[in-house]
Amino acid sequence: EAQVTQNPRYLITVTGKKLTVTCSQNMNHEYMSWYRQDPGLGLRQIYYSMNVEVTDKGDVPEGYKVSRKEKRNFPLILESPSPNQTSLYFCASSPRPGAEGYTFGSGTRLTVV
Amino acid sequence: ILNVEQSPQSLHVQEGDSTNFTCSFPSSNFYALHWYRWETAKSPEALFVMTLNGDEKKKGRISATLNTKEGYSYLYIKGSQPEDSATYLCAFAHDKIIFGKGTRLHILP
Repeated sequence: EAQVTQNPRYLITVTGKKLTVTCSQNMNHEYMSWYRQDPGLGLRQIYYSMNVEVTDKGDVPEGYKVSRKEKRNFPLILESPSPNQTSLYFCASSPRPGAEGYTFGSGTRLTVV
Repeated sequence: ILNVEQSPQSLHVQEGDSTNFTCSFPSSNFYALHWYRWETAKSPEALFVMTLNGDEKKKGRISATLNTKEGYSYLYIKGSQPEDSATYLCAFAHDKIIFGKGTRLHILP
């Protein structure tokens, strides 16, 4: 089944403890992206990647890192999480961003205390 | 700052009634307009990708139109059913993809 797999689904962590949210897609899509969803703010892009070893900042990149060492994987790294990073995170991929729709992962609900 | 506006924010519709809502986007540098359906506790799923002015797309009881010159798209749902309850997102694609905040649709039995 074609899909984007995110893990974990839920995570509660403490301020400052490094964490990684994994994202993997099995559709050979070149484009991958991370979004966060906050009440009243809509989906905001954190980082995106047009291809392997190519990553770019989205609208809200502060406090996050990403890497794209392989086409299928695009992990989101929070080196020192803070409470304002409590949010719902989505990974998404597309064969041709814009021209074709995104396939979204199932989301990660992160709480930083 | 490019803005994608969706209206209304929230909508209650009686089962069986038809409804529509709007996505407004910048009319310059247009590349594509996406519509997504997002059910509670799930992830958004693509409904339509529209690229040409005057495009009209249909999927069952749901259809969408596109006017790139004036910068709007309408999503129509005919004969609403309880399973149509969801948030409907539009996204404007130019050199990046910008999402609207969605229209939350509630179907009343």
